Amino acid sequence: KNEVEQSPQNLTAQEGEFITINCSYSVGISALHWLQQHPGGGIVSLFMLSSGKKKHGRLIATINIQEKHSSLHITASHPRDSAVYICAVIMSASYDKVIFGPGTSLSVIP
Amino acid sequence: ETGVTQSPTHLIKTRGQQVTLRCSSQSGHNTVSWYQQALGQGPQFIFQYYREEENGRGNFPPRFSGLQFPNYSSELNVNALELDDSALYLCASSPGLRSPLHFGNGTRLTVT
Repeated sequence: KNEVEQSPQNLTAQEGEFITINCSYSVGISALHWLQQHPGGGIVSLFMLSSGKKKHGRLIATINIQEKHSSLHITASHPRDSAVYICAVIMSASYDKVIFGPGTSLSVIP
Repeated sequence: ETGVTQSPTHLIKTRGQQVTLRCSSQSGHNTVSWYQQALGQGPQFIFQYYREEENGRGNFPPRFSGLQFPNYSSELNVNALELDDSALYLCASSPGLRSPLHFGNGTRLTVT
């Protein structure tokens, strides 16, 4: 069993739909990142969370530390949101060891 | 724009050769970490440097080594390249431990 899991693995949505991507983890963490990776490789950090909820534009991220679960929501999805979304946890250790989830490939169709 | 620059963007090497990949971080980012991402998989943690000292390492052999310099740049060195080393190599920097990570665009290494 992987230490960080995501669902769904692949997601196709119509433009305008509300999208939810889930992340669950089994290790103790100090924080969690939601990352966006476009074809070609570059990664952008969307959020870093250690508790509660954060919102940036059409993106909302939540985390429940007790349940070891986080969600990324995209409201009013747009084709430019098409990318791979990766959940990455920073382990509770003396250094920032980061464990990445397998990613969710999102395709938003016009 | 994350302020993290990696070079080169693409590189082709032959099995057995050595390679050096470079990362230039933002001023003040004294933490840098390196990751290997094989095609179709999530990134894997290689190691982290904090104030020029390695302070954490993932499950990678000693032929993967690194350096961090006072000018916020760093290097990843891989000796005795193997075919399985073909991957996207990403660096990420931050102003300190437990701070948001800023990723570069990666170097795509192909070993033939």
